[in-house]
Amino acid sequence: EIVLTQSPDFQSVTPKEKVTITCRASQSIGISLHWYQQKPQQSPKLLIKYASQSFSGVPSRFSGSGSGTHFTLTINSLEAEDAATYYCHQSNSFPLTFGGGTKVEIK
Amino acid sequence: QITLKESGPTLVKPTQTLTLTCTFSGFSLSTSGVGVGWIRQPPGKALEWLALIYWDDNKHYSPSLKSRLTIAKDTSKNQVVLTMTNMDPVDAATYYCAHRSLTMLQGSAYWYFDLWGRGTLVTVSS
Repeated sequence: EIVLTQSPDFQSVTPKEKVTITCRASQSIGISLHWYQQKPQQSPKLLIKYASQSFSGVPSRFSGSGSGTHFTLTINSLEAEDAATYYCHQSNSFPLTFGGGTKVEIK
Repeated sequence: QITLKESGPTLVKPTQTLTLTCTFSGFSLSTSGVGVGWIRQPPGKALEWLALIYWDDNKHYSPSLKSRLTIAKDTSKNQVVLTMTNMDPVDAATYYCAHRSLTMLQGSAYWYFDLWGRGTLVTVSS
């Protein structure tokens, strides 16, 4: 099973600041890594597919990078509406797995 | 426009079998390259993938729950059904179904869950 480790677990950020979330895979997964945003009481929303491609309708301040075992989600100029928990997810092999999540709080 | 909606009991007793239905629109599970998966999330915890079914009836299960899970599709009704046997209080969670999409990129296939239902909260208690 591929384990995804996200860091940090929690981040308190001021609006307009830049946020960087890291996801490390326990073995190489190419670019089969996707990022989701989940706001309280809502279902996850796809932000980034296969490491760096933005999903339709996602604001341009969200970007992804990486390949192999190290991936990054960047939020440029954080907005208040970005308060949420962010998850990475790998689809390289079964069983499919998710990271533990990173909660982003707005100061 | 793709939509998915989960339905099923909100409360089950320990040892009972849970049956959840995902009713979807905007796509067909008979179309090549399409899949529907189930993911759950215990309160305050992370997402956990459970099962997945493809247009060709190929199925995959979480190894830790495989003996308790069955996934099936009814293409004519646009539904996917998940059953989980021998429910326990630790199975209490919000259960989501999600559309699985395929993109071909430079000769490689990339699958991802692009759209999710709102989820249904299941409590397990006697």
